[in-house]
Amino acid sequence: EADIYQTPRYLVIGTGKKITLECSQTMGHDKMYWYQQDPGMELHLIHYSYGVNSTEKGDLSSESTVSRIRTEHFPLTLESARPSHTSQYLCASSLGTGELFFGEGSRLTVL
Amino acid sequence: GEDVEQSLFLSVREGDSSVINCTYTDSSSTYLYWYKQEPGAGLQLLTYIFSNMDMKQDQRLTVLLNKKDKHLSLRIADTQTGDSAIYFCAEIPRSTDKLIFGTGTRLQVFP
Repeated sequence: EADIYQTPRYLVIGTGKKITLECSQTMGHDKMYWYQQDPGMELHLIHYSYGVNSTEKGDLSSESTVSRIRTEHFPLTLESARPSHTSQYLCASSLGTGELFFGEGSRLTVL
Repeated sequence: GEDVEQSLFLSVREGDSSVINCTYTDSSSTYLYWYKQEPGAGLQLLTYIFSNMDMKQDQRLTVLLNKKDKHLSLRIADTQTGDSAIYFCAEIPRSTDKLIFGTGTRLQVFP
């Protein structure tokens, strides 16, 4: 069973609020990822990290930011949430192969 | 572009076989993957196939690979209600070291 955790699972906030979605893994994986999942199911890579102090933007442009100060922790922050940010956010980690371990997701609703 | 295509929906009767199809983009991808996403959860690796194989069987799951047509399929024998989920195929093209997910197929199993 994968040891990767996301909090909160569900979040409803008002426009303009700052939010941080937490993601932690206890597997010692160097590679970590954030995906945004549409209601239509498609997954879009928005950020990834290959190790401490390394972060890159993914294929889908996002107004969110990430940090990687510790191997096990990869939080995602939105400075000013908008309704267009309403989505499910999935965090994942890997050893570098095509086997990604996913958290259960954080479903964000911005009113 | 790197678009991995899947049909959106599949509905099957319990006990029948399900076949989920995928068209990928890069014939040089070394491995091809199938992930499963159950309702309210993250993705989980279901199976994978090495590119020099035509077929891989694992209990009720059979993966078929046609490299010439860049076509991948997942067959689920004796489909059960617990198989209802979204299924994603995925590849790592040579042009990138990141996993590219397909558009996802929602499988619904009815009694």
